[in-house]
Amino acid sequence: EAGVAQSPRYKIIEKRQSVAFWCNPISGHATLYWYQQILGQGPKLLIQFQNNGVVDDSQLPKDRFSAERLKGVDSTLKIQPAKLEDSAVYLCASSLYSWGYEQYFGPGTRLTVT
Amino acid sequence: TQLLEQSPQFLSIQEGENLTVYCNSSSVFSSLQWYRQEPGEGPVLLVTVVTGGEVKKLKRLTFQFGDARKDSSLHITAAQPGDTGLYLCAGARSNDYKLSFGAGTTVTVRA
Repeated sequence: EAGVAQSPRYKIIEKRQSVAFWCNPISGHATLYWYQQILGQGPKLLIQFQNNGVVDDSQLPKDRFSAERLKGVDSTLKIQPAKLEDSAVYLCASSLYSWGYEQYFGPGTRLTVT
Repeated sequence: TQLLEQSPQFLSIQEGENLTVYCNSSSVFSSLQWYRQEPGEGPVLLVTVVTGGEVKKLKRLTFQFGDARKDSSLHITAAQPGDTGLYLCAGARSNDYKLSFGAGTTVTVRA
């Protein structure tokens, strides 16, 4: 079974630029999560999708971050404009159902904002 | 402030030694998970514990959930270099089932 795919793996941008990350979850997984992991910290949930609907985006900085999951399969996370403090690894995870089920993580995208 | 506090933050030991990592909170969790994350990769789930006092063994790894479901520990016996990584605990509270992660313990096992 193919795992969670993410691209790009690395991205370096200047502050105030925009960037987008892509995630393709495991086939058949209804729930998709985006996490932000700052160096030295554990992952922090940004947004959770159930199929193509948003379940939880309470910790998503909506003035600059946006995410969509069209057709309930793959997803994109966008940052516009980026700030220095957005430097982090952005992890995508998927699970068969919602909370309580095993989450499978992708390799992440390491973003550096200069 | 982290909901889950992990200790120690860093741990470096010689191959063959034992180690214990702790995960503590003042909150009660319906379940608690342990993940291992290697550099450049996403976390991989090791175990889920759901019952207070539960002990689970996975080869050389032993996981324990506290009786009050507020804390957990991970014990590795006879550590090997392949055990090197960032160990993360994550708890789900019964009121919302969201996963909250600790900051992790970086374990280095020297050959």
